[in-house]
Amino acid sequence: GAGVSQSPRYKVAKRGQDVALRCDPISGHVSLFWYQQALGQGPEFLTYFQNEAQLDKSGLPSDRFFAERPEGSVSTLKIQRTQQEDSAVYLCASSLAGNQETQYFGPGTRLLVL
Amino acid sequence: GESVGLHLPTLSVQEGDNSIINCAYSNSASDYFIWYKQESGKGPQFIIDIRSNMDKRQGQRVTVLLNKTVKHLSLQIAATQPGDSAVYFCAENKPPNNNAGNMLTFGGGTRLMVKP
Repeated sequence: GAGVSQSPRYKVAKRGQDVALRCDPISGHVSLFWYQQALGQGPEFLTYFQNEAQLDKSGLPSDRFFAERPEGSVSTLKIQRTQQEDSAVYLCASSLAGNQETQYFGPGTRLLVL
Repeated sequence: GESVGLHLPTLSVQEGDNSIINCAYSNSASDYFIWYKQESGKGPQFIIDIRSNMDKRQGQRVTVLLNKTVKHLSLQIAATQPGDSAVYFCAENKPPNNNAGNMLTFGGGTRLMVKP
């Protein structure tokens, strides 16, 4: 079946612009995760949803970052007033259930803030 | 803080040889571990996982070994092929504390280069 999809694949923003990144998880997957991956580093956790509930947002770096999953499927990560340090690849992953289930990743959105 | 790390940032092997990628973890509470492969411009791809009640698990051409005594994880790739060239990450998952703890903690990655 279809895997996790993300859009756009690439996004160039001017500093101060708002951006919205979309994630379509695998159908039926309850859990959804957002990670941020800086160049040459491993992904770092941002936030976690179980269905529509955002259960953990401890990894969001500032209040400029906001995520939602209103109907328990598609999720959007929004970054307000983007800064250069926000440039990274934003990865979405989903899993069938919660803890200790394999997380399947999408291709990521590469964000470049100029 | 607690983290997952790797011993070697780059590993170069000859095609057909076996590869071993190592990972050290520091969180003794972690009980689920995953190896991912990431090719340039793509998201991490699941390779194999292991739970803490096991010390070895085999897949197709891959084997993961877990040594809880020294908190060490390794990925063995048999008969390495050019298509195996990528960055490999180990990741750990610890039991949840209320709603937290479901995330994966990744190491910095090892780049595997396969020479023809």
